[in-house]
Formats: sequence, C-alpha cells, structure tokens
Amino acid sequence: GAVVSQHPSRVICKSGTSVKIECRSLDFQATTMFWYRQFPKQSLMLMATSNEGSKATYEQGVEKDKFLINHASLTLSTLTVTSAHPEDSSFYICSAGSTGGRGNTIYFGEGSWLTVV
Amino acid sequence: QKEVEQDPGPLSVPEGAIVSLNCTYSNSAFQYFMWYRQYSRKGPELLMYTYSSGNKEDGRFTAQVDKSSKYISLFIRDSQPSDSATYLCAMRQNSGGYQKVTFGTGTKLQVIP
Repeated sequence: GAVVSQHPSRVICKSGTSVKIECRSLDFQATTMFWYRQFPKQSLMLMATSNEGSKATYEQGVEKDKFLINHASLTLSTLTVTSAHPEDSSFYICSAGSTGGRGNTIYFGEGSWLTVV
Repeated sequence: QKEVEQDPGPLSVPEGAIVSLNCTYSNSAFQYFMWYRQYSRKGPELLMYTYSSGNKEDGRFTAQVDKSSKYISLFIRDSQPSDSATYLCAMRQNSGGYQKVTFGTGTKLQVIP
C-alpha cells in the first residue's frame, strides 16, 4: 500500500486564489521531502527540497513566494500555490526519504492534479 | 552533459518479450540506484532499489548495476501489457543525509498484446 499520501488528488481553483496540497509519510518519519512538478509527457521537475523545521531549498527558477512550502512535522509537508494562475495548472508530486525498515530510499505520493480556471 | 542519461523511447515490445531499460551516469559519487514505474497521471512507484554493483531480482524484474561502467539496467521478463508505463531511473549519493535524487528523463514502454 501507499507509504506516502498526497491530498487532494485533484483540485480545481479559480485564478487568483490559493490552494494547499498536503504530503504525508504514513509509516515512517521523513526529515526531508521533495516537491516536483510534471507537465504532460515530460519528466519530473524538482521544485524544492523541504526540510523539517527549517526553510525549504528551492531550485533555480522556482518562485519561493508563489510556492510556499511548510514542513512542520516529520510526517507532513505542505505546498501552497498562492495567487494561482492557469499556467500553474500541472501535476504536483511529493516524495519522502524513508529510513529504518523501509530502507534508505525515496517514495512518491500519488500526485495532485491542479487545474486553475 | 547530463548527470543521468536515459533513452526516452518509446520502446514497443510484444507481450512476453524480455525488456531491457538502461541508464548511464557520470557522477561516480552516486551510490544508491532506484527504478520507478509511472503510469499515466499517477505518481511514480518504486520498483527496485539497489546499493551495490551486481544483480538484484524481484519477481519478473532484475536490476543490474555496473559501477565501473556507470551503467544501470532494469530487465523485465515475460513482459505484460500492464507493464506499459514510463520507467524512471534515479540515483543519489551517500553523504549522510538525504540529498537531491537525480532522475533520468524516463523511458516510455509499450507492451503490445
């Protein structure tokens, strides 16, 4: 079963509003989570690395004021798309680094489809 | 030169064929190697995870790592139409914490019934 859960799986919002996407590690603590964006038929694009208790590290070209990341606990990271515009419509995926019984690897969430109208 | 190179395909094979998916990399510091399968409109699913050189088998899947050649492979035996997906290789360094994982661009596989 899923070890990283993302919610919501699909969201439609009006242009100018903000939307929050949650990423939870279900049975392990994740000190580091990653947020990706994926356009149709393209590969994953890393947006930012989310570290528990500290500021996220954003990749070059990603607006940190637009894509707010909060990693308040060892099992939850959130991505808030602020003042969303139609060009922000995309598939957003989180991943988490596992430890312990699940090994030292990366598990992905199911992804969240954002449509801005 | 990209750190990880992966042929985007598409790769079409008949059902039952053996599929070979490959990635090359240039960073000798990569120590952990993963293969993910991504169906359309879904998040990637971890298939295989290896650390050392050599082969690792799990059912119909075999992951192969050759660190001397900086080359990794994923073999799928008795391929099924349900294997049709995009396969991503991924790798990361072993530096005491979770560093950024570097992905290949993905190979799209189609298994034809």
